[in-house]
Amino acid sequence: QVQMVESGGGVVQPGRSLRLSCVASGFTFSSYEMHWVRQAPGKGLEWVSVISYDESKPYYADSVRGRFTISRDNSKNTLYLQMNSLRAEDTAVYYCARILIGTTGFGMDVWGQGTTVTVSS
Amino acid sequence: SYELTQPPSVSVSPGQTASITCSGDKLGDKYVCWYQLKPGQSPVVIIHQDNKRPSGIPERFSGSNSGNTATLTISGTQAMDEADYYCQAWDTSTVLFGGGTKLTVL
Repeated sequence: QVQMVESGGGVVQPGRSLRLSCVASGFTFSSYEMHWVRQAPGKGLEWVSVISYDESKPYYADSVRGRFTISRDNSKNTLYLQMNSLRAEDTAVYYCARILIGTTGFGMDVWGQGTTVTVSS
Repeated sequence: SYELTQPPSVSVSPGQTASITCSGDKLGDKYVCWYQLKPGQSPVVIIHQDNKRPSGIPERFSGSNSGNTATLTISGTQAMDEADYYCQAWDTSTVLFGGGTKLTVL
């Protein structure tokens, strides 16, 4: 069945790095642009980053630009988020989500279960 | 920067109609999606392209978008609809979420 599974979360000290992964299955991964969305404790959803199907167009939220890097490996059906210079305010559940390419106004129709990142000394 | 504004909370009695708004400058010129988020679960898209329901979403959920305001309407609200709801739109190549609205079914 269609699913995405995130991993790589954990507890990390401020200033350190972490890499999240999202493995997709049950669908043609390369037909979707992929997003990372996070939810800090007690807060709302915050969009983090998007990458096009061919990696040509990554975009970032202002809050993470210059610190986070999104990438994907279509041969492995895997999405990544390299997080550097982590801050306490990056503490959140991180979700990967997909949007079908070539569409306009379609929502993120499949989400992973989320992986928790805690930045604390 | 572009912002989407939602009321923090909305209350509704079972069987009644709940309306959740999402405001932004000329929001009607953009497509809006709505997501439902329940504790311990991942978000679920319930409306896309302003007013279209994905497969499997009950008919009691509907959406509209005009002017500066998009609205999610839940007709015949049920206890199971108690959740947080988020609007989402695009700003050039980035994605925006509203701050979320907690729907309480009293």
